[in-house]
Amino acid sequence: LAKTTQPISMDSYEGQEVNITCSHNNIATNDYITWYQQFPSQGPRFIIQGYKTKVTNEVASLFIPADRKSSTLSLPRVSLSDTAVYYCLVGDEGDSSYKLIFGSGTRLLVRP
Amino acid sequence: GAVVSQHPSWVICKSGTSVKIECRSLDFQATTMFWYRQFPKQSLMLMATSNEGSKATYEQGVEKDKFLINHASLTLSTLTVTSAHPEDSSFYICSARASGRAADTQYFGPGTRLTVL
Repeated sequence: LAKTTQPISMDSYEGQEVNITCSHNNIATNDYITWYQQFPSQGPRFIIQGYKTKVTNEVASLFIPADRKSSTLSLPRVSLSDTAVYYCLVGDEGDSSYKLIFGSGTRLLVRP
Repeated sequence: GAVVSQHPSWVICKSGTSVKIECRSLDFQATTMFWYRQFPKQSLMLMATSNEGSKATYEQGVEKDKFLINHASLTLSTLTVTSAHPEDSSFYICSARASGRAADTQYFGPGTRLTVL
């Protein structure tokens, strides 16, 4: 089972900032939080990864509170091309390796 | 970010035939590779985890004799769908990470669309 919960869908308009929050109440001490973006018929594309506090790169910011039970992906000034499914992932200690189990993701629709 | 490729990007085959899909990490060595399957409008489902040089570990409900996985080198993993049937039609996506450590980012390939007639 996925270890994360996020909204099924969100709507926004071009130029707005979008914040997608993910809950991961059972996050383990060694877990990192990773966000991916997926367009139809494509593999997931890595957006950002963090362990605690705030991480920022050229496309997004990731905010993680001290208890790490949730995280928020922030997309500044979205455009139509940001319409996609966004997945928040926390790893799972498998039998052989640390692995990522996908939840349902958040379907973001950016309107003109 | 790191690049993971898949070949072919799409394949159509007749029922009963076997299909091989390749997954390559192009600019890093991947000790661990993963295979996922995605049906339309659904999320990715993990099928199996493979570590270089050892047998793959399959998720519950995935038939290991039907989905053969080989991870013979640090840059190549293959998934063979044996005796494919129409219900095996799906989008197959591989991913790779440099090691099994949590801090290592997992990168995904572009996916392979399999259609079984």
